[in-house]
Amino acid sequence: GAGVSQSPSNKVTEKGKDVELRCDPISGHTALYWYRQSLGQGLEFLIYFQGNSAPDKSGLPSDRFSAERTGGSVSTLTIQRTQQEDSAVYLCASSPLVGVTEAFFGQGTRLTVV
Amino acid sequence: AQSVTQPDIHITVSEGASLELRCNYSYGATPYLFWYVQSPGQGLQLLLKYFSGDTLVQGIKGFEAEFKRSQSSFNLRKPSVHWSDAAEYFCAVGAAVSSYKLIFGSGTRLLVRP
Repeated sequence: GAGVSQSPSNKVTEKGKDVELRCDPISGHTALYWYRQSLGQGLEFLIYFQGNSAPDKSGLPSDRFSAERTGGSVSTLTIQRTQQEDSAVYLCASSPLVGVTEAFFGQGTRLTVV
Repeated sequence: AQSVTQPDIHITVSEGASLELRCNYSYGATPYLFWYVQSPGQGLQLLLKYFSGDTLVQGIKGFEAEFKRSQSSFNLRKPSVHWSDAAEYFCAVGAAVSSYKLIFGSGTRLLVRP
């Protein structure tokens, strides 16, 4: 596709439920990021997939959060047993290569936990 | 580990006035530096980046930034602000070792007075 695509754009879930957020990176991009942006806050790094190397999971806030990237393309961020503090916009970005280069962002998924 | 500080949460300038947004980074080696802009309801767009070479870099929309190693700064400037520049601005730093993840500052919200 032309850009990074995230789905759904909005998600409302009940506390305690599991949610899955999807990211389709730009075709051919080898690196993929997930960030979380809480209301009025900056971008909190969650996880970075860097080609065939082990992902950098150092930003995941708890073991309720996990992510995978299948076939080096689509990525899914899963939040188990959601809590109200998980409410935020979850942003995905991809980069054309592994290494320091610019990241291209999707529009995000707004998650609301009620 | 790298980190970024944007000391100004909000900045208000009059249309036509000059602008400088501050960014300080912490990283032990040569950093890779970025400025992104997030307009209301929009995704993040890259304004400019610094990897090496000339310490004054030009970006889109008339923005520029200067890398000052001695001050660990990468401030964003624009000589004459337009009302359409009202947005949230994020500085980011990338590391060239271990993980290439981008770490973002907390952002500066720019308000433009008519």
